[in-house]
Amino acid sequence: QLQLHESGPGLVKPSETLSLICTVSGDSISSADFYWAWIRQTPGKGPEWLGSVYFSGRTHYNPSLKSRLTISLDKSKNNFSVRLTSVTAADTAVYYCARQSELELDYWSPGSLVTVSS
Amino acid sequence: EIVMTQSPVTLSVSPGERVTLSCRASQTVTNSLAWYQQKPGQPPRVLIYGASTRASGVPARFSGGGSGTEFTLTISSLQSEDSAVYYCQQYNMWPSLTFGGGTKVEIK
Repeated sequence: QLQLHESGPGLVKPSETLSLICTVSGDSISSADFYWAWIRQTPGKGPEWLGSVYFSGRTHYNPSLKSRLTISLDKSKNNFSVRLTSVTAADTAVYYCARQSELELDYWSPGSLVTVSS
Repeated sequence: EIVMTQSPVTLSVSPGERVTLSCRASQTVTNSLAWYQQKPGQPPRVLIYGASTRASGVPARFSGGGSGTEFTLTISSLQSEDSAVYYCQQYNMWPSLTFGGGTKVEIK
């Protein structure tokens, strides 16, 4: 059974860098069939796609975040990560990682609340 | 960026009733449209992709329709466990995605 689980600090100071890792079990991130995505959600709002990474390392980013965002993968550890620089309170959200096929986001992590505050 | 607009924002419905949720895209997304259900404290769960194909394990009371810019999600007979927020999401420029703002379905 495929499972994803994110890990990382739950509290980040303004202007610093948010970093999260998504560990995948039950499937290989080296599969050519899927992208691996990061999504975030603030209370009462729809999810926001941050970006996705392919097994080759190719990435696609949300244009509104592209200048601050890096998504990468570590095949040896079967995980992928997100880094968001220069964070503000507006980046406070629940962050999810997910497997992305051509048609759907079919497996999601439970979600991790990251708060930006001094 | 393609903007997805959902209506209504909230819906209060009695068990057994038929429910129809709407989603409009700011430009055509052909049939590259998915619907997700989200319950409190949980990640979204895919219900429909390709505008009308039910995902694995989704009950037959859920159906999707539409193409281009206008889409619907119908629950034929609302059950208590269907209380949730429903989101549409386009993937016409895959892997780039955008989600709608959601419709909250409440049980009367």
